[in-house]
Amino acid sequence: SQQGEEDPQALSIQEGENATMNCSYKTSINNLQWYRQNSGRGLVHLILIRSNEREKHSGRLRVTLDTSKKSSSLLITASRAADTASYFCATDATDRGSTLGRLYFGRGTQLTVWP
Amino acid sequence: DGGITQSPKYLFRKEGQNVTLSCEQNLNHDAMYWYRQDPGQGLRLIYYSQIVNDFQKGDIAEGYSVSREKKESFPLTVTSAQKNPTAFYLCASSFRTGVGNQPQHFGDGTRLSIL
Repeated sequence: SQQGEEDPQALSIQEGENATMNCSYKTSINNLQWYRQNSGRGLVHLILIRSNEREKHSGRLRVTLDTSKKSSSLLITASRAADTASYFCATDATDRGSTLGRLYFGRGTQLTVWP
Repeated sequence: DGGITQSPKYLFRKEGQNVTLSCEQNLNHDAMYWYRQDPGQGLRLIYYSQIVNDFQKGDIAEGYSVSREKKESFPLTVTSAQKNPTAFYLCASSFRTGVGNQPQHFGDGTRLSIL
């Protein structure tokens, strides 16, 4: 399966701590995306990192990508209770460099941030 | 305000009944997608459409049907052939894939249950 897999499945931390989630995938990609889902809601796009990028920042979010290891990490710094949500990575799939027009989502990491 | 709207929020299906879930977007996106999410699981792709009057099966298309007669609309019918339809259904849209998939915008989902 092309599907990305997040690790850990669940993460519980105190406010102010950093949260790190990892994603591994299986085949070549053009880009990797991270999404957030609050309970009972749709997903919200957080950040996209292209295959030729190694690191990207957006506010308190930092994403890294290692295409040689087929892995990515999402770091949330100075976590807040409002960051409590599920976080998913999604990869596209390439066929000789052209995308196949869809994303593959992992099962997600459930992050709980305690006040 | 641009967005993607799913309706209804909750839907109940009787035995042997077909039901249709609505998805409308005013983001001028070319591509639209339907996903199924089961508790504690990631998103599984049912159908997707890159342009009007064209759509492709995803990973779990059996028991579902779609149409794409208008750019703004991508309704999903859950047929009686789908024996385990209870799930959270998410619709998404994006600009058409170029080099790598574009970020997807999600609706807030329809929760379907069996009566």
